[in-house]
Amino acid sequence: DVKVTQSSRYLVKRTGEKVFLECVQDMDHENMFWYRQDPGLGLRLIYFSYDVKMKEKGDIPEGYSVSREKKERFSLILESASTNQTSMYLCASRYRDRGGTDTQYFGPGTRLTVL
Amino acid sequence: GNSVTQMEGPVTLSEEAFLTINCTYTATGYPSLFWYVQYPGEGLQLLLKATKADDKGSNKGFEATYRKETTSFHLEKGSVQVSDSAVYFCALGRSAGGSYIPTFGRGTSLIVHP
Repeated sequence: DVKVTQSSRYLVKRTGEKVFLECVQDMDHENMFWYRQDPGLGLRLIYFSYDVKMKEKGDIPEGYSVSREKKERFSLILESASTNQTSMYLCASRYRDRGGTDTQYFGPGTRLTVL
Repeated sequence: GNSVTQMEGPVTLSEEAFLTINCTYTATGYPSLFWYVQYPGEGLQLLLKATKADDKGSNKGFEATYRKETTSFHLEKGSVQVSDSAVYFCALGRSAGGSYIPTFGRGTSLIVHP
């Protein structure tokens, strides 16, 4: 079974703090993604990575950065957390199933509250 | 660009009712289409998928057919249960070379009452 794990299920931080959200997948997938999920807005792509040390901006990268030093780990960094970054953060990796279809596998999510 | 539009929720049904959640898309090329489900407090799980026109994806009593002529992928279930209460996301994915480009709808909340 594909496993995507996220370091925390719930996190509470203060405005201005530097925040690290970690995501690990155990299936040697090359592509990994970070989304945020907000009511009424669905999933919005923040950043994605095609391979180690490679990253691409998604639709809403402002206020975020990412790090991919090892293939299995993709970190999302909030350099200076703000209250409007309170959200659910979802990590995903891309895998190709036996039929050749690319699909995403998601982690359980981290609910971040910035006070 | 690619986009996915799904009906707004919440959809509220009684147990054993018939469910339809509408989803339409715009995309270049020939995307794969997906339905994901998110139960309370959890991440998204793949529910079903279809990779080409007229394909029908099915899982756990849910079905959706890839309709290229109407650019739709509506989710249906003949008899819903309370345990089906969740948020459902329609999505499309395009693979181009080494890259994978996903696009999600905004999600539709389903509430099933006993």
